[in-house]
Order: sequence, then C-alpha cells, then structure tokens
Amino acid sequence: TQLLEQSPQFLSIQEGENLTVYCNSSSVFSSLQWYRQEPGEGPVLLVTVVTGGEVKKLKRLTFQFGDARKDSSLHITAAQPGDTGLYLCAGVMGYSTLTFGKGTMLLVSP
Amino acid sequence: DTGVSQDPRHKITKRGQNVTFRCDPISEHNRLYWYRQTLGQGPEFLTYFQNEAQLEKSRLLSDRFSAERPKGSFSTLEIQRTEQGDSAMYLCASSAYWGGAGELFFGEGSRLTVL
Repeated sequence: TQLLEQSPQFLSIQEGENLTVYCNSSSVFSSLQWYRQEPGEGPVLLVTVVTGGEVKKLKRLTFQFGDARKDSSLHITAAQPGDTGLYLCAGVMGYSTLTFGKGTMLLVSP
Repeated sequence: DTGVSQDPRHKITKRGQNVTFRCDPISEHNRLYWYRQTLGQGPEFLTYFQNEAQLEKSRLLSDRFSAERPKGSFSTLEIQRTEQGDSAMYLCASSAYWGGAGELFFGEGSRLTVL
C-alpha cells in the first residue's frame, strides 16, 4: 500500500504552460516536503510545509498543504525546460522517518 | 565539495557476490539515511542512524542487507549474496536533526546492477 499517492505519474507539456501535480494520502502528516530529482542525481529539497492550509511560493512554484494535512499540491506557472525532472512529495508522521511518494515525472519541451 | 558523497557511483556484479557501498555525510550532520530507488519509483526507506546508533532497521529488505556507522561519521551498506532484484540506485542522505522536519541532503547515489 502506497502511503502517498502522486498524480499524474507523468506529464509532458510545452514551455509556457501551467501545471499542477498532486500528493494525496489518507494519513495525517506532521509535515510534508517536496523534492525535485534530475536524472543521475539525488533529490533536492524545494519546500517544507507544516501548517494545515499553508501556502508557500518560490518564484513560479506554489505549494499548498491541505487543511487536514493529508494532501498537498504543487503548481508551476509558465513552465520552463529547466523545470524538467521528477517531483517527489515526502511526508513525516510523528517522529517517523520521511516516506516518499512515487513521484511525478515532468517533461517540459521548448 | 562538502555535500554527501557516495562510492562507488556504479557497481556491476554477478549474482551471489557481496557488495558494499560507502556514504560520507555532511560533516556536522548527526543523522544518516539509506534509501533504495528503482526505476519509476520514489526512494524507499531502508534504515537510518543518529550518530552511531542505528534507530530503525526493520525496513531493510532482507537479512542479506546490513548497515553500519561505526564512529558516527561515514556509513556502509552491505548486500550479501546479491540477487538480480537488488539492482537499483542506493541513495544516502544526511540531516542535522534537532527535532521536527529537517531537510535531507542526498548524495548522487550508487547504482547497482546484478547480472
């Protein structure tokens, strides 16, 4: 059973388009993180959200944590080829370790 | 470079052989994690250390897998009697844990291919 479900699994878009990817669970998380991973590299942290309903913006990326702290979304405005990569959400429950979803593979074509 | 380093980056071995991966974390980080990642999947947690203490090892995939962090600095992950299903990327990460959600800093991984 996958604790964190990410959708879509794969997304191919043109440069300039907007997109949203989702991370859902039936479990409550004390915090949730988003990472981006490029081929041949380890994941790199983008953001941590802690409070239900929290919204964080990083330039063209907007992250939202659901009110019940069970789900999250990542919205990218005006996608660029440099945004290409595997986007992973990862959750922490209590004092447990970080659990990752399967990821959304994003391909942005020029 | 002061990031997490892993060695070797690539390892090709024959089924039944033992392999060992090494991870050197960021020096001031007290926690060290091992994850496994297969194609099209997110990282799967294996085990972690706080300093030299291994706090969770029940998620190691079988008794063929073992990890050590003898002096609370570098760590090794050993796989004995490798099987083709062990082929994957093995990722190491470290963090400075002081309670709450911390950032994990990942290495570039060690890719294992078992023939």
